[in-house]
Amino acid sequence: DGGITQSPKYLFRKEGQNVTLSCEQNLNHDAMYWYRQDPGQGLRLIYYSQIVNDFQKGDIAEGYSVSREKKESFPLTVTSAQKNPTAFYLCASSSPARGGNQPQHFGDGTRLSIL
Amino acid sequence: GIQVEQSPPDLILQEGANSTLRCNFSDSVNNLQWFHQNPWGQLINLFYIPSGTKQNGRLSATTVATERYSLLYISSSQTTDSGVYFCAVGNTGFQKLVFGTGTRLLVSP
Repeated sequence: DGGITQSPKYLFRKEGQNVTLSCEQNLNHDAMYWYRQDPGQGLRLIYYSQIVNDFQKGDIAEGYSVSREKKESFPLTVTSAQKNPTAFYLCASSSPARGGNQPQHFGDGTRLSIL
Repeated sequence: GIQVEQSPPDLILQEGANSTLRCNFSDSVNNLQWFHQNPWGQLINLFYIPSGTKQNGRLSATTVATERYSLLYISSSQTTDSGVYFCAVGNTGFQKLVFGTGTRLLVSP
C-alpha cells in the first residue's frame, strides 16, 4: 500500500541528547513536510522540502534540523537546542511541488517525550 | 500571515444528530483541507476543497472562497465521528498549510 511511514511511534529523549525521527513515503511525492502539534493545538510547520537536496524553514524551525538526500525520505532531528521538544510530530507529503494545488497526506506521527 | 479560525471550539452531540463546523480565513486561498484527528492522533484527510462543494457519504463540505469561509457538515453522527476536526489553508505558490485550532467533537450514544 502507498503511504507515509513514521518511526518510531514513541520516543524518549534525555536532556542534552539529539534524536532523529524517521519519515518515509512511497507515494512518489516531490514535497515533504514536518509539523509539530502541542496538546489542544493545531499543527505548526517546522520544515518543508520541495525537492531532493532542498529544504526551507517553516514557522518554528529553531532547535530542529532536516535533510533530504532521497525523494522518499525526510528525517527530522530534534537537537538539544530545542528546549521544549515534548510534542506530537507529524510528517506529510504532497505532489506536485511546482505550482498546482494538491492535498497533503499525513503519517501516523511520533510522540516525543523528555525523560 | 493568513489567520484561520474554527468554530465552535467544542461540540457535544447525541448519536444521530447533524452538525455544521465552520472555518473562517483571513485571505484568499488556493488550498483548503478538512481533517479528522482520531483519538490515536491519526490525521485523516476528509476533503480537499479550495472552492465549491463536495460530498462523501454522511460528510459534505462547502467552501465560499470569495467570502473566505468553509463549512463541514456531518449528518446522522456516529460515535466514531468523535475527535478533533481541523481546517487548514494555504495561499502561497507552494502548498504550505496553516492550521486552525480545531473543533473538538464528542458524539455520545
